Amino acid sequence: DSGVTQTPKHLITATGQRVTLRCSPRSGDLSVYWYQQSLDQGLQFLIQYYNGEERAKGNILERFSAQQFPDLHSELNLSSLELGDSALYFCASSPGQSSYEQYFGPGTRLTVT
Amino acid sequence: EDQVTQSPEALRLQEGESSSLNCSYTVSGLRGLFWYRQDPGKGPEFLFTLYSAGEEKEKERLKATLTKKESFLHITAPKPEDSATYLCAVLVEAGRRALTFGSGTRLQVQP
Repeated sequence: DSGVTQTPKHLITATGQRVTLRCSPRSGDLSVYWYQQSLDQGLQFLIQYYNGEERAKGNILERFSAQQFPDLHSELNLSSLELGDSALYFCASSPGQSSYEQYFGPGTRLTVT
Repeated sequence: EDQVTQSPEALRLQEGESSSLNCSYTVSGLRGLFWYRQDPGKGPEFLFTLYSAGEEKEKERLKATLTKKESFLHITAPKPEDSATYLCAVLVEAGRRALTFGSGTRLQVQP
């Protein structure tokens, strides 16, 4: 158990809908990262937040957005969902300043039908 | 463009048969190389971080090494419970701490 929690574990929704994925980082970690893992693309970085502020963006679609709240939990919002958005979405956290290791949560499996 | 290539894509070993997984990278300024283990449908589990060429880290039957162009994950006398996908990732910019992952090596250890 990495100490990172994600909800829900599974999500099934229809095309065009909007969903919110939630992540709670390890106690004391200030940085949160979101990654997408699909069969053909592997693990792809989406976005990073550090202590409430966006720090870096990767291959994140404009239909996707995220935020980190004052209690450091983070939410990833996916809208206008398409079949190709079906994937595992992982959240990871790290202390931020002194350590580069990222610890991953169990993931949310999103299925768009 | 930063690239991380893992080989082989899949590896089948008999219990006790030692082997090595390879991770080669082409990046501009490596800040760290990471190894993770991932079981099907689960999140990647952190194993090792290597920061400089010549560095080695060990954990149970696993040993990771790093050169200027590649890293190896050596598995000594593997057991069936070592079966998983092993992922290699690199960190290039310290300020932007996104990891770039390879596609992984699927390891199956048969009893």
